[in-house]
Amino acid sequence: KNQVEQSPQSLIILEGKNCTLQCNYTVSPFSNLRWYKQDTGRGPVSLTIMTFSENTKSNGRYTATLDADTKQSSLHITASQLSDSASYICVVDTDKLIFGTGTRLQVFP
Amino acid sequence: DGGITQSPKYLFRKEGQNVTLSCEQNLNHDAMYWYRQDPGQGLRLIYYSQIVNDFQKGDIAEGYSVSREKKESFPLTVTSAQKNPTAFYLCASSTLGTSYEQYFGPGTRLTVT
Repeated sequence: KNQVEQSPQSLIILEGKNCTLQCNYTVSPFSNLRWYKQDTGRGPVSLTIMTFSENTKSNGRYTATLDADTKQSSLHITASQLSDSASYICVVDTDKLIFGTGTRLQVFP
Repeated sequence: DGGITQSPKYLFRKEGQNVTLSCEQNLNHDAMYWYRQDPGQGLRLIYYSQIVNDFQKGDIAEGYSVSREKKESFPLTVTSAQKNPTAFYLCASSTLGTSYEQYFGPGTRLTVT
């Protein structure tokens, strides 16, 4: 069964700190992996899209990694800001998009 | 939210009534999608369309209907047959092809009582 699992379910950090969110998937065939940021009550916004051959991709303070052998991805956020408070959703593209349930990140001052 | 608009942002309906959610895009995208988001669950695909006057069922199409009369518009009707219609509904659009990026609208929160 195609599944995308994210951990932790929720995370609280202080402003300025770094954090890493995890995504494990059991999806086949694999086309690409995406990370989205979703503010409460809003639509998701794309952060990165990585294909099978890409190991790392950055978008400002966001860096995504992909290990296609172990079927794991991570999203690292550097020097967190209050505006980083949101849900972060991992999505794997097979013949359709499989969405994870997200990690809820809260950044406090 | 790019060039995708959804209206209204909040919608309240009585049980047994059909309701139509609007989705419009000005990105000249061929493909449009409707998703449903429930607490603690990943987004689930309801319907999608890759060309005008054609659409396909997603994973949870029962109780929903769509139309695609114009490239820019993809309205979703939640019918009285949908057993648990209260949810956050998201519309998205994309170009066709591999590694296409989906752009999401701001969403409509539907509450049925």
